[in-house]
Amino acid sequence: GQSLEQPSEVTAVEGAIVQINCTYQTSGFYGLSWYQQHDGGAPTFLSYNALDGLEETGRFSSFLSRSDSYGYLLLQELQMKDSASYFCAVRDQDSNYQLIWGAGTKLIIKP
Amino acid sequence: DARVTQTPRHKVTEMGQEVTMRCQPILGHNTVFWYRQTMMQGLELLAYFRNRAPLDDSGMPKDRFSAEMPDATLATLKIQPSEPRDSAVYFCAGGLAGARNEQFFGPGTRLTVL
Repeated sequence: GQSLEQPSEVTAVEGAIVQINCTYQTSGFYGLSWYQQHDGGAPTFLSYNALDGLEETGRFSSFLSRSDSYGYLLLQELQMKDSASYFCAVRDQDSNYQLIWGAGTKLIIKP
Repeated sequence: DARVTQTPRHKVTEMGQEVTMRCQPILGHNTVFWYRQTMMQGLELLAYFRNRAPLDDSGMPKDRFSAEMPDATLATLKIQPSEPRDSAVYFCAGGLAGARNEQFFGPGTRLTVL
């Protein structure tokens, strides 16, 4: 079947670095994406990895290993405004190429 | 500043009433998705359109839900009759098929069915 697993909650300290992991099981993998959602808001696109390796966008980086069916989102120099839920999502051949979503990781940042 | 718009933003209704939610995708986007989000279930895909044609609505309770795209600027999601368990936030999202898995979400409609 198709599934994505990510931790339900991660806690970190302001200014620190945090990594949110995502493992997936799908057919016909077509890329791993990350989305951020603040409480009361809508998900917003953060990053996309189609090939193995690290993609960096400012304080955020996303990594993919297709052989391990694994990826992570790395947030550096954490700020209080990074407190949000983070979703990984995979585009899957068997589901009409729609996104299959993880359940989300709530990131709690302490001062 | 192109963005997805949804109306209404909030809706409170009584069980048994019809609810219609509307979405205006970003001009030029050829895919539209309807999602439902609850604390318990996370993000659930209800319906998926590409070039206005329905591709997948397997996540939608067919007996009460219906989704349509009468034209490229309007997508609708209807619930008739509504039930308390339909209370959730409903998001419309769109994008370009095959483009980096990037979906642009509307602000959502928060539905409460009493």
